[in-house]
Amino acid sequence: DAGVIQSPRHEVTEMGQEVTLRCKPISGHNSLFWYRQTMMRGLELLIYFNNNVPIDDSGMPEDRFSAKMPNASFSTLKIQPSEPRDSAVYFCASSSRQGAEAFFGQGTRLTVV
Amino acid sequence: SQQGEEDPQALSIQEGENATMNCSYKTSINNLQWYRQNSGRGLVHLILIRSNEREKHSGRLRVTLDTSKKSSSLLITASRAADTASYFCATLETSGSRLTFGEGTQLTVNP
Repeated sequence: DAGVIQSPRHEVTEMGQEVTLRCKPISGHNSLFWYRQTMMRGLELLIYFNNNVPIDDSGMPEDRFSAKMPNASFSTLKIQPSEPRDSAVYFCASSSRQGAEAFFGQGTRLTVV
Repeated sequence: SQQGEEDPQALSIQEGENATMNCSYKTSINNLQWYRQNSGRGLVHLILIRSNEREKHSGRLRVTLDTSKKSSSLLITASRAADTASYFCATLETSGSRLTFGEGTQLTVNP
């Protein structure tokens, strides 16, 4: 398996634009996590899904952020409109079951100017 | 705030020495996991210890867990320059499936 695949690897966008980050989890994994990493706040859990259903989205910072998982092999994290303070590295991770080790993608480095 | 807090924030040692990193947490957990992150890369899982376990080994890694003190330690023996990375603890809370990470320890192993 190629592991968790995220795209794009880098994204530079202007403030106010819509940004969509994509994630393909490892085949057969039924838990999926979105994290955000910054120097100031470390790794923050934004949302996680189990069997394609959002279980806990309490980490989503505000309504500008939304996440979907339309099927077991794809998830998106959308920011609309984007702001400079959204600049961070966004990681997607998946695990085979609740509580098991998580496998991380390489991340998307987002810069909002 | 983060569930796990690592100590120290940064550690610099010489190759061959042992490195010890500590993690404290606040809530009841199902398990505690340690991850490694090389600069600019994603996190890689190292080892998982369940709440009913006290010690676990994997190669040069040794993890302990003290649930009464809500703390864990990661020991890397005979460190190598390639061990240079950030190390994070992550806790899985008993209340659900939230995997929450600490702030990490930056380990530098000097050749």
